[in-house]
Amino acid sequence: QVQLVESGGGVVQPGRSLRLSCAASGFTFSSYGMHWVRQAPGKGLEWVALIWYDGSNRYYADSVKGRFTISRDNSKNTLYLQMISLRAEDTAVYYCARERDYVQDYWGQGTLVTVSS
Amino acid sequence: EIVLTQSPATLSLSPGERATLSCRASQSVSGYLAWYQQKPGQAPRLLIYDASNRATGIPARFSGSGSGTDFTLTISSLEPEDFAVYYCQQRSNWWTFGQGTKVEIK
Repeated sequence: QVQLVESGGGVVQPGRSLRLSCAASGFTFSSYGMHWVRQAPGKGLEWVALIWYDGSNRYYADSVKGRFTISRDNSKNTLYLQMISLRAEDTAVYYCARERDYVQDYWGQGTLVTVSS
Repeated sequence: EIVLTQSPATLSLSPGERATLSCRASQSVSGYLAWYQQKPGQAPRLLIYDASNRATGIPARFSGSGSGTDFTLTISSLEPEDFAVYYCQQRSNWWTFGQGTKVEIK
């Protein structure tokens, strides 16, 4: 079965960096685009970034453009999100999700990032 | 940015009742609308994509309809496990989500 497991979250000071990982299993990872979606505490969902199946194209929400970088290692079945210059408003649970037909059909359980001094 | 407005914010119903959730887009999204269910402490789960197509494994009591700017998610007869928050999402212009409708037990 499809499994997505995020890791790397934690408490970080404003202005610092963090890298999230998402380990995929149960499907051919290299055949699917992958997304990051976040959810601030008690709030709704916000799309963050997309990377194509082969890593050839990447797209970002305006709120993170220039600060976040999505990448993948298909040999390790792993998706990444490198976050720099973190702000308080980046505090959220970060989910990785598989793309199928331009929607997110499977999601991981999420990893919490808290940006606080 | 396409803004999605969901109504009502909260729907209080009893098991066995019919639930009707609405999602309105600030501009046409054609049929590119999805619905997700989220329970407390869990990840969202895809229910419906492209307005009316049920995702894999989703029970037939869930149905979606609409096009353009107005969409509806209907749960024909609420089961205890259906009490949750529901989000709509458009994919016509990147991806944005509505603010959610909470379906709670009356």
